[in-house]
Order: sequence, then C-alpha cells, then structure tokens
Amino acid sequence: EAQVTQNPRYLITVTGKKLTVTCSQNMNHEYMSWYRQDPGLGLRQIYYSMNVEVTDKGDVPEGYKVSRKEKRNFPLILESPSPNQTSLYFCASSYGSQPYNEQFFGPGTRLTVL
Amino acid sequence: AQKVTQAQTEISVVEKEDVTLDCVYETRDTTYYLFWYKQPPSGELVFLIRRNSFDEQNEISGRYSWNFQKSTSSFNFTITASQVVDSAVYFCALSDLIKAAGNKLTFGGGTRVLVKP
Repeated sequence: EAQVTQNPRYLITVTGKKLTVTCSQNMNHEYMSWYRQDPGLGLRQIYYSMNVEVTDKGDVPEGYKVSRKEKRNFPLILESPSPNQTSLYFCASSYGSQPYNEQFFGPGTRLTVL
Repeated sequence: AQKVTQAQTEISVVEKEDVTLDCVYETRDTTYYLFWYKQPPSGELVFLIRRNSFDEQNEISGRYSWNFQKSTSSFNFTITASQVVDSAVYFCALSDLIKAAGNKLTFGGGTRVLVKP
C-alpha cells in the first residue's frame, strides 16, 4: 500500500531533550516536506527536500533540522525542543516538485514539549 | 507572496442544513492550484479536491460542491444536506510555481464545522 508513515504518532518530552520524528514513504517520491499545524494558523512548511541531499528552509525553520540521506526517509530533528514547538506535525511527499504533483500526507505526530 | 484566508473560524449547523466555507487567496502567479482538505477529529488530512487556475468550472461530488471564481480570487466549498460525519476542520490551500519552494502548499487557518444531530 502506498503510504507515508511517521513515528512516533504521539510524543511528550521535556525542554532541551533532543528528539527525532521519522518520516518514510514507499512511493519513490522525490519531494518531501514537513509542516506544523497550529490553531488558527493552518499548516506551515518547516523544511522541504527536492531530492537526496537537497534540503531547504520553509517558512518556519527555526529550531528544526532535517536530513535526506536516502530517498525514502526524511527525519525531522529537534536538537533542543522548546514549549513553542508543541504542535501537530505532518510529513508529506510527492513524485515531483511541481504544484500539479499530488501530495501525500502522513498521519501526523502530536508533540508536546513541557 | 502567497496567502490563503479562511475568514470563518467555526461554523455550527444542524444536520441537513447546507454550509458554505469561504476561501480567498492571493498569488502573483497566473498558474496555480487550489485544494481543499478535510481533517476529521482523528487528525489525518483527507484530500478532497484539486483545481488548477485555468479551470473555472464548478465541481460537484456527491454532497460536496466547489465554486471557483478567479475574478474574486475565491474558491468556496459547500456541503449540501450536512451530516454529523461532516464535522471536521476544513483547510483551503494554494500551490503555485515559485520554483524555490518546490511543491509547497500555503494553507488557510482552517474552518471548524460542527454538525449537530
């Protein structure tokens, strides 16, 4: 089944404790990205990747890192989480980077930073 | 810069009423795509529709219909004869051809729809 998976789905952590949210897709998609969802703000792009070893900042990259060593995986790294990073996170992928390429979203990861 | 505005933050209706969700967008591109997503209480994002900027035909899919008006930069969504299962947050989104951002979606703030039995 074609899908985007994220782990963990739920995470409660404390300020400053490094964490990684994994994202994996099995559709051989080139383009992957991370969004965060906050009430009233909709989803905002954090980082995106056009292909392996090609990543760039989205609209709200502060406090996050990403890597794209393999085509299928695009982990989101929070080196020193803070309470303002409490949010619902979505990973997405698409075959190409053109706007007509349909995006597939993962199930979301709900992160709480205490 | 792209921007999507969903002015209605929450709408409450009684079952079988119609509900229309407003979406107004801004973009400098002439080629762009508009989307609607549904987010039920379980949290996942469910794709509903994609429409490109060159296709202004209205679309109907079952109880759902969409009205795209380029002249007013709006892409409104109507649920006819609403049901309790329609209770969700609905997002309007825009994607255009800004190369540097690839296939980035710009989302509105969402409209929460509550359908009461």
